[in-house]
Amino acid sequence: DGGITQSPKYLFRKEGQNVTLSCEQNLNHDAMYWYRQDPGQGLRLIYYSQIVNDFQKGDIAEGYSVSREKKESFPLTVTSAQKNPTAFYLCATQAAGTDYYEQYFGPGTRLTVT
Amino acid sequence: QKEVEQNSGPLSVPEGAIASLNCTYSDRGSQSFFWYRQYSGKSPELIMSIYSNGDKEDGRFTAQLNKASQYVSLLIRDSQPSDSATYLCAPSASGGSYIPTFGRGTSLIVHP
Repeated sequence: DGGITQSPKYLFRKEGQNVTLSCEQNLNHDAMYWYRQDPGQGLRLIYYSQIVNDFQKGDIAEGYSVSREKKESFPLTVTSAQKNPTAFYLCATQAAGTDYYEQYFGPGTRLTVT
Repeated sequence: QKEVEQNSGPLSVPEGAIASLNCTYSDRGSQSFFWYRQYSGKSPELIMSIYSNGDKEDGRFTAQLNKASQYVSLLIRDSQPSDSATYLCAPSASGGSYIPTFGRGTSLIVHP
């Protein structure tokens, strides 16, 4: 069963703690992306990766970090430096690093920091 | 800065009517255009893609593209309450940036 999995679905943390969100895919897609979505808002790009061991900052990378050690996995760490981390986090993949392909989204992780 | 403009809505239509969702974009280099549906609390789901000028039909959905006007639309015929969602327009990237630009979405409400 091909797809993108994100875990956990809901995550609660205290302020000042780092937290890592998981994203795994078995679609054999090269590119992976992390977006943040706030209520009533659009998607904002945090980080993206076109190939293993390489990743680039998106529009709102401050306070976040990623790694891409395997093609299948692209975890996102929300650090204590992120001032307002409560949001819906979406992982997406794209078949190849080209301009023509659509993106596919995982089910998302809803993070609440208090 | 690449821009994608969508009317945020909400667009309210009665059940059985045609819902028309519109999108304009600034990047003339975009070659592919995608429509995603996002139910409240869920992740976006790809529902239509269009690459050439003109119309593309898939069931109750029709995508229309006019590259000269930098305009893409989505028509939903025989709208159902289950179509109530936010619809995101996403022209593809261009020039090797590999990052599509998503509109903020139009909220559609189909009332019985």
